[in-house]
Parts: sequence; C-alpha cells; structure tokens
Amino acid sequence: LAKTTQPISMDSYEGQEVNITCSHNNIATNDYITWYQQFPSQGPRFIIQGYKTKVTNEVASLFIPADRKSSTLSLPRVSLSDTAVYYCLVGDLGAAGNKLTFGGGTRVLVKP
Amino acid sequence: DTGVSQDPRHKITKRGQNVTFRCDPISEHNRLYWYRQTLGQGPEFLTYFQNEAQLEKSRLLSDRFSAERPKGSFSTLEIQRTEQGDSAMYLCASSSYGARGRGETQYFGPGTRLLVL
Repeated sequence: LAKTTQPISMDSYEGQEVNITCSHNNIATNDYITWYQQFPSQGPRFIIQGYKTKVTNEVASLFIPADRKSSTLSLPRVSLSDTAVYYCLVGDLGAAGNKLTFGGGTRVLVKP
Repeated sequence: DTGVSQDPRHKITKRGQNVTFRCDPISEHNRLYWYRQTLGQGPEFLTYFQNEAQLEKSRLLSDRFSAERPKGSFSTLEIQRTEQGDSAMYLCASSSYGARGRGETQYFGPGTRLLVL
C-alpha cells in the first residue's frame, strides 16, 4: 500500500480556499486517490476520488499531476463547518480486500 | 436514511464484560469492513466480509474479538472479556465491489464509541 504524507494541521479563515497537498511517491499504477473528511465523534465521510488530472464535485476539487506522486484537495470558500480532519488515502480500488490505510490526517481549523 | 448505521452509538462497560456491536450496511453493498479508531489517530483496519465470508482479519483482531455477517447483510462485532485498551471508536464501512475497473468506495457509519472502565 502506498504511504501518504500530508501536513499535520492547517488554519484558514471563512471564505478562503483551502488547499491540502498529499505526497504519495510510491503510488502504483492501479492506485486511486481518495479523500475523506471526519468530524469529531463521527465516521469518515467520503469527499472525492480520482486517478489523474482533475476531478471536481459539489464540495471539492482534486488536482493530480501527471506523475501522480502527489495530489491536492481544494476546498473553495470554506466555512466554520469545514473544520475537520482530512485524510488522503491511496489504494487499488479493484483489489481483493481494499483495506483503507489511514495516516494521521490534516486537521483543518477554519476561523471566523 | 439509506447510509450505514451502527448500534449502539455509545457503550460503557466494565472490564471483563462482553460487548456486541451491530452494523447495518447500505443495502446493496456486498463488502463490509470494521475499523477501530483511537483518539487522535486515523482508523485502523480490523476485518472485512464479502457477502457472508470473512476474508481477512488484521493482527489487531485478537482472539477476544469475533465478527460475523451471517446472511451477508448486517454484521456484529463482539469483544469478549473487555480490557481498558479496547476503549476506542469502532467504525463500520460498506462498499460495492464488482468487476475490476469499477471503483470501490467505502462509506462509513457513525461509529460506536466504547469506554471500558
């Protein structure tokens, strides 16, 4: 399983864009990149998933460069409710037993 | 609500007691995962089922832990003779696994927080 490295914490202000970069230097050909959000005392919530280039949904964008050794989760115009821990995961979604390996995540604090 | 549900949400027990947690996955999902999360850490994989078959168990899952998914729908996780070190959030996730090339995304339940006194 490819190991991921992401910042431990980030502070931002309401209305700003937050970009969290995750490094995954040994990503394999069949690996996808997935991001989860977790609030205290809740289960992780799926945000976005991608393989290459750019993926956008109603809550976030995911930018993946051509070498796929890193990825950046972009949260546009954050609000206080976006304060959470964000996890970057890399894995082969088609593999038998897709055990997710979570790192420590990035604690994002959105200030008023 | 058609998401993953877990019951109970909170459990306080005394050391040495047995506890059982239940997970109801999203109805059409054939895979079900259990994870454990301690304070300040990311979730750690415990075990997973494909339909009713338990296909893998982590070394974290000691002999005191047992999980079942008898009809390929809901699952239970039992901890016997609980220890204070078992205090954690126990998370269940489900996914729909199909032919290669189709992405498998795991959707998590709200978790069961266990406190062993």
